[in-house]
Amino acid sequence: DTAVSQTPKYLVTQMGNDKSIKCEQNLGHDTMYWYKQDSKKFLKIMFSYNNKELIINETVPNRFSPKSPDKAHLNLHINSLELGDSAVYFCASSQGGQGSEKLFFGSGTQLSVL
Amino acid sequence: DAKTTQPTSMDCAEGRAANLPCNHSTISGNEYVYWYRQIHSQGPQYIIHGLKNNETNEMASLIITEDRKSSTLILPHATLRDTAVYYCIVLNAGNNRKLIWGLGTSLAVNP
Repeated sequence: DTAVSQTPKYLVTQMGNDKSIKCEQNLGHDTMYWYKQDSKKFLKIMFSYNNKELIINETVPNRFSPKSPDKAHLNLHINSLELGDSAVYFCASSQGGQGSEKLFFGSGTQLSVL
Repeated sequence: DAKTTQPTSMDCAEGRAANLPCNHSTISGNEYVYWYRQIHSQGPQYIIHGLKNNETNEMASLIITEDRKSSTLILPHATLRDTAVYYCIVLNAGNNRKLIWGLGTSLAVNP
């Protein structure tokens, strides 16, 4: 079983559309994350949720809205997609705890906005 | 959070040890050193982390200098599947801690 799974793997869409990426983890972890990896391969955190509560919001445009229905799921909804949103988006989870950032990542969703 | 400096790229022969250096000269006492790697078209994968002592697990060894200003990740017997980008990250253990990723070292393991 895949520990952290995200769907879809590829997403091609037009500017202005609204799209969602889903993420599920079966590790029993308390914390989940969304990361964005741009074309230069920089990996930047977008959001972090702990037990369904938002912990980190890294000045991401409010067109991006994460939703955590339960601690095993963290979905990312993006409104009014722009060209600059094209990137690979990774979901991750961790058990957390003091000094522990051992993250488990999904395989990524490659978003292409045309 | 302390910044890290890593070589952009390295080569290693298959079967030999790969030693990946990382400088973190501004690291503070409560900051951990984490190593991750990203194989092409996959998500990052945790390798190992440490605070002061050297650490070893089934994937690698982490050697941290006594002054903690640098560290080395050692893959004892590199295989072709170890070809990846390796990220060295320092992390503050306080609240709202988050990993700050650089560009890492692109390791090519050659046959």
